[in-house]
Amino acid sequence: NAGVTQTPKFRILKIGQSMTLQCTQDMNHNYMYWYRQDPGMGLKLIYYSVGAGITDKGEVPNGYNVSRSTTEDFPLRLELAAPSQTSVYFCASRFTNYNEQFFGPGTRLTVL
Amino acid sequence: DQQVKQNSPSLSVQEGRISILNCDYTNSMFDYFLWYKKYPAEGPTFLISISSIKDKNEDGRFTVFLNKSAKHLSLHIVPSQPGDSAVYFCAATADDKIIFGKGTRLHILP
Repeated sequence: NAGVTQTPKFRILKIGQSMTLQCTQDMNHNYMYWYRQDPGMGLKLIYYSVGAGITDKGEVPNGYNVSRSTTEDFPLRLELAAPSQTSVYFCASRFTNYNEQFFGPGTRLTVL
Repeated sequence: DQQVKQNSPSLSVQEGRISILNCDYTNSMFDYFLWYKKYPAEGPTFLISISSIKDKNEDGRFTVFLNKSAKHLSLHIVPSQPGDSAVYFCAATADDKIIFGKGTRLHILP
């Protein structure tokens, strides 16, 4: 049982490039979330999903897109990377009736 | 507009003593409160939670207190141990989302 896995661990992008951050969970959780954490700040919700085929915006969705075609996977897409997207990105998941979220180890992204 | 506030960016406590981390919130619709612990280069891990209908929850060395009238909660760690040195996030849930505070860095001194 690997829990929540994220790839890659680190990535450097040039302005305008695109990339997909991968997130997979093997706990059969319905809910999945994407957060970003900037230095000295808490986690801000980017997008979330309550099940396959259903996604919704969080606090800071601009510049990002998501899809949820399976229960296990919840990729986050950056289409035109900007320096403001330099951050650490965390994916998380949980069961429907439980508030506890399980987090992945994070992806550190730098946009230059 | 911060709905969940942790006003102390850092806290230093002697090993063996009590650590008290505080959190304030503004939204009376929050129905569940959680504390997460985070080590460098790792994702946050769940520590303890409390429902809005309770005022105390205890799990080993960790106790969370909720004062709804003051919109305040606190996490007590007794006794504090070196492995408790980490960043602690307070969080609150409403609908399907969780709102996090900015975190408090706890240093346990030998």
